[in-house]
Amino acid sequence: GENVEQHPSTLSVQEGDSAVIKCTYSDSASNYFPWYKQELGKRPQLIIDIRSNVGEKKDQRIAVTLNKTAKHFSLHITETQPEDSAVYFCAASSVDSNYQLIWGAGTKLIIKP
Amino acid sequence: DAGVIQSPRHEVTEMGQEVTLRCKPISGHDYLFWYRQTMMRGLELLIYFNNNVPIDDSGMPEDRFSAKMPNASFSTLKIQPSEPRDSAVYFCASRYRDRGFTEAFFGQGTRLTVV
Repeated sequence: GENVEQHPSTLSVQEGDSAVIKCTYSDSASNYFPWYKQELGKRPQLIIDIRSNVGEKKDQRIAVTLNKTAKHFSLHITETQPEDSAVYFCAASSVDSNYQLIWGAGTKLIIKP
Repeated sequence: DAGVIQSPRHEVTEMGQEVTLRCKPISGHDYLFWYRQTMMRGLELLIYFNNNVPIDDSGMPEDRFSAKMPNASFSTLKIQPSEPRDSAVYFCASRYRDRGFTEAFFGQGTRLTVV
């Protein structure tokens, strides 16, 4: 079955700098890769997703890149702000898994003022 | 739509008691997921339903856990008897399948404490 690994588990960056979180997956049939943000005490919420027919997707300060050959995808946050502090989860999904989301372990992002 | 609604938001119970968590998915969504979140184990899928039918319950930790979805607008997760190690935040999420992949919407979660 699918396995998703996420690194790092904790990331601390200076406000205004960029942050990058990386995930690798094992099932080459996976073709949907969402990223969720979970603020302290709140529910996970989708912030961006990418499908396997696309290599990169951007939405303002966040972007996701996908390398299907290497089976990894990354979340990039530029010009980080205090409100970016949260836990970020990556996930992978495929038709073969009946569209079930397989989750990474999460990255705690800390923005230092 | 008000989103995925879970109740109660917080539950404190004594070891050995029965606990029932409730979830109302977003109208029109045909997938419903129950997750458990702890610091140690992260976000774990317990069970999911498609059109009210349980598809995969391999994540249910043991027979003390059971889940039902009697209709498209309601699901329950029951723990009987509860144990301290069941303490966690339990999330319900729903999504619909529209030509493939769509966003999973989470409820606010139920924080369960078993003492």
